[in-house]
Amino acid sequence: DQQVKQNSPSLSVQEGRISILNCDYTNSMFDYFLWYKKYPAEGPTFLISISSIKDKNEDGRFTVFLNKSAKHLSLHIVPSQPGDSAVYFCAASSGGSNYKLTFGKGTLLTVNP
Amino acid sequence: DTGVSQNPRHKITKRGQNVTFRCDPISEHNRLYWYRQTLGQGPEFLTYFQNEAQLEKSRLLSDRFSAERPKGSFSTLEIQRTEQGDSAMYLCASSLADILPLHFGNGTRLTVT
Repeated sequence: DQQVKQNSPSLSVQEGRISILNCDYTNSMFDYFLWYKKYPAEGPTFLISISSIKDKNEDGRFTVFLNKSAKHLSLHIVPSQPGDSAVYFCAASSGGSNYKLTFGKGTLLTVNP
Repeated sequence: DTGVSQNPRHKITKRGQNVTFRCDPISEHNRLYWYRQTLGQGPEFLTYFQNEAQLEKSRLLSDRFSAERPKGSFSTLEIQRTEQGDSAMYLCASSLADILPLHFGNGTRLTVT
């Protein structure tokens, strides 16, 4: 069963506009959420994270929103740039003693010049 | 900080052969994780170490897979009697204990022919 779901395999936006990537989760034990960006032939690179005690975290052009009651989070990129074109993975952790991550399938973002 | 290093980057092997991959984590990181990523999927957890102790193994890790971290520094992942279904990107990540995010290497792409 997919505990972390990214239902949009791909998203295309124009440069300068907002990109919104969505993620849903089913496991109520998840208490920390992360977004990773992945370019072809490279490993995932950490982008931004949020704890379950918050509903928003911002870092430059990137903002993550968490709606715990809906078990939903989203990543907003404003303004989008062509260099943002990559696969974005949502990941979740239930902490405890292992901090292993459970990933979604990813969303391919294409930012057109 | 030279990042997580994985070798080789690519490995092509024939079905039935054994293969071994190496991961060198970020030097001060005592946690080391192995993940597997197949086409169209997010990374899936395989196993993790704290120092030299292997603390958890996923049910994805069949008996043909073995991982070691003998001195709590680098780690090796061995696959015996490879099968075509083992073809995937094998990712290594490291972190300090109880601290996210995980930092990923660029992976080893295994192709079993």
